[in-house]
Parts: sequence; structure tokens; C-alpha cells
Amino acid sequence: GQQLNQSPQSMFIQEGEDVSMNCTSSSIFNTWLWYKQDPGEGPVLLIALYKAGELTSNGRLTAQFGITRKDSFLNISASIPSDVGIYFCAGQRLNRDDKIIFGKGTRLHILP
Amino acid sequence: DGGITQSPKYLFRKEGQNVTLSCEQNLNHDAMYWYRQDPGQGLRLIYYSQIVNDFQKGDIAEGYSVSREKKESFPLTVTSAQKNPTAFYLCASSITGEAFFGQGTRLTVV
Repeated sequence: GQQLNQSPQSMFIQEGEDVSMNCTSSSIFNTWLWYKQDPGEGPVLLIALYKAGELTSNGRLTAQFGITRKDSFLNISASIPSDVGIYFCAGQRLNRDDKIIFGKGTRLHILP
Repeated sequence: DGGITQSPKYLFRKEGQNVTLSCEQNLNHDAMYWYRQDPGQGLRLIYYSQIVNDFQKGDIAEGYSVSREKKESFPLTVTSAQKNPTAFYLCASSITGEAFFGQGTRLTVV
């Protein structure tokens, strides 16, 4: 099936550092979504983007919908221990009846 | 409270038995999804449904079956034909592109 290319696959950072991850696709998407999953839990929606070029913040998180509509990035500023988890990007193509497609996730680890 | 509920959270079954995982939502969402997640892995789509009485296979549908008789409910049956059923199963529902997940069911087959 169609895939989103999410990178990096994992990150090891120091507390307080900024984090950046991104997702790319060969197809145009109408919606980009970013989720966080804690161990043993379902993913929780962090940010939803609906317009090319849109830049949206949620606290220390900022996400952008790429101008080409084929990519998106998520930044986390001043990371804290509770930021640890798996971050997933997801997208939905032009037709809103299309299924939502997920990236493989970025695993964020914070070193003590 | 509005939301999406999966039950049970933990489920144990003997090999060769069929088992049904429950997913209920009261968000009035048209679309519902089932995903499988293995340790350290991403989400793999099993089945999805855009409307009542209709559903489509995802990327790993073999050994699974679903029904969508009501808008609120999308149960997943893991059949004995599924060769490696032990996994974490996630249900989601969506409207206007935003998907919301349940808490997941961890199925262990012994």
C-alpha cells in the first residue's frame, strides 16, 4: 500500500534540546496529522494541518504543511522527559473518502 | 463522555480459537479503522470502513474479518487462520481527516 516516509526512525537527544522530524510522500495530501503514542496506549492527535504552507503550534510543538503538499515536519522545542514516545505522521489524500495513511514513526529517546 | 472505546485492554486466547475485539465510538464518525502494531513497529492497516455496511481490506487483512452493521461499532475477529495473532490492536474513527484512537487491545495467543 501507499506509504509515507518518516524520518528519522529514532532519535536520542539530551533534555532541553530541540527536535525535528519530517514526513514525505510521492503523492499530494490534503491533510497532514501528527500523533504521539506513549507505551501501551493509543496514539493521541497533536496537530492537524489542512492548508499548504500552514504553520501551527501546540505549546512547544510546531508543525508545517509543506508548500508542495507532499511533506510535513514537526518540531519540538526544549524537550522534556515526558516527550519520550513514538511520533507518527499521517496524511489523507485529496478525496476525503480516502483512507488515512500513517508513517512508520519516529521513536524519541531522551538521555538523562 | 464522547470517545472511542476498545475492550478488553488485555486478552488471552488459546491457539486455534477465534477471538473478537470490540470497538465502539459515540463520536458520530463515519469512518472506522483497525490497525495492528507489533513491538517496536509502526501501524499496519487491517481493515477500514467508510460507511455502515461497507468495509475494505487494508494491507494485512488475511486471517481477520470485520463487520459494520452499526455506525457506532466495528468489531474485529482474529481467526485461527491468522498465523501470528499476538499483537497490539488499535481501533480508530475519523471525520474530516482527523482520526482518533482507542486505548488498544493487547492480544496474546498461547
